[in-house]
Amino acid sequence: GIQVEQSPPDLILQEGANSTLRCNFSDSVNNLQWFHQNPWGQLINLFYIPSGTKQNGRLSATTVATERYSLLYISSSQTTDSGVYFCAVDANAGGTSYGKLTFGQGTILTVHP
Amino acid sequence: DAGVTQSPTHLIKTRGQQVTLRCSPISGHKSVSWYQQVLGQGPQFIFQYYEKEERGRGNFPDRFSARQFPNYSSELNVNALLLGDSALYLCASSLGQGGYEQYFGPGTRLTVT
Repeated sequence: GIQVEQSPPDLILQEGANSTLRCNFSDSVNNLQWFHQNPWGQLINLFYIPSGTKQNGRLSATTVATERYSLLYISSSQTTDSGVYFCAVDANAGGTSYGKLTFGQGTILTVHP
Repeated sequence: DAGVTQSPTHLIKTRGQQVTLRCSPISGHKSVSWYQQVLGQGPQFIFQYYEKEERGRGNFPDRFSARQFPNYSSELNVNALLLGDSALYLCASSLGQGGYEQYFGPGTRLTVT
């Protein structure tokens, strides 16, 4: 099956700093999503971005599908950005997508005041 | 509009017992997927149901089963509970089978003692 690797595994920042999270995947995909998991376990949708670039406030994401990676940028980080960030992909199996998301191991982000 | 809802929020069961978890998708969504997340890992795909039929199954034993009802809500059943089944169980809904953005519920935290 498809492999998803996220880096770095852990990231510690001071409030106001910028950061870049990376997601590498091993095969072509029909869907790529970035999530933020809060301390209560809720997965919050950040971006649906199988290709291209999107921005939402202080967050932006870029997926280069041909090179099989995606980047999540967080600018001017705040303590509320702390938590686990997951990348998840839905593999393109011979042109068919089955809706199965394969998650990376996540990046644990800690933002100190 | 209401998001994905799951019940119960928390559950404590004894080894060997059976459990049923419930999920209601976003209105208009016809696909429901189930994921298991153990501590420190990303969610793992269990099942996908679309239009009341099983469309995908992850690498889980036959003790795990699910179904989708005519109103597109879904139940996940786990029989003969093991200690290793303790996890956060997440339900996701999407408009269609594959390639669509998935939205997650708050999860059911199952503890097996």
